[in-house]
Amino acid sequence: DGGITQSPKYLFRKEGQNVTLSCEQNLNHDAMYWYRQDPGQGLRLIYYSQIVNDFQKGDIAEGYSVSREKKESFPLTVTSAQKNPTAFYLCASSITPRGLSGNTIYFGEGSWLTVV
Amino acid sequence: SQQGEEDPQALSIQEGENATMNCSYKTSINNLQWYRQNSGRGLVHLILIRSNEREKHSGRLRVTLDTSKKSSSLLITASRAADTASYFCATVSPVIQGAQKLVFGQGTRLTINP
Repeated sequence: DGGITQSPKYLFRKEGQNVTLSCEQNLNHDAMYWYRQDPGQGLRLIYYSQIVNDFQKGDIAEGYSVSREKKESFPLTVTSAQKNPTAFYLCASSITPRGLSGNTIYFGEGSWLTVV
Repeated sequence: SQQGEEDPQALSIQEGENATMNCSYKTSINNLQWYRQNSGRGLVHLILIRSNEREKHSGRLRVTLDTSKKSSSLLITASRAADTASYFCATVSPVIQGAQKLVFGQGTRLTINP
């Protein structure tokens, strides 16, 4: 099946540790995104990538890092610098013909990160 | 900052009734999208409406867009228990460099009572 796979679904982190959330897509999409969702809230953009080896900061990038070495993969690392990392993390992707807009963004099932 | 603001924050209706959710935004947009999220799950795209469109339909869903008022509404007709979910509007502003930056509202939590 085509889609976006996030893993793990649940992750516990000790304070001071870095953790990496995996996101893989087999939709052949150029663009990938990471969003953070706090309980009862909307989504906030952490990082996005338009193409391999390129990524841009979103609205809340501090304390996070990403890489885009392969088209299908966009892992997110939550570093110890992120002071309040407990949240639901959503990865997404879309086709992005340059100069066009209005493409559907597809989401993964999310990863729950809890600091213990 | 969050662009879209949904209203109401929570809505509870009886099965079979219609549900209307509203979204207001602040800046010019290229398009507006509605998503659905079941508890603890990812988001599912429902409808995209472009800034030059006024209304779109998809099955039991009807979306309107009023750019003069910077507002949109999502109507779900003949609601079913399975429609229980959170619904989000998201705007895309006209700075296009390939990737779209969706800006989400806080969502409307819809509960359909059997």
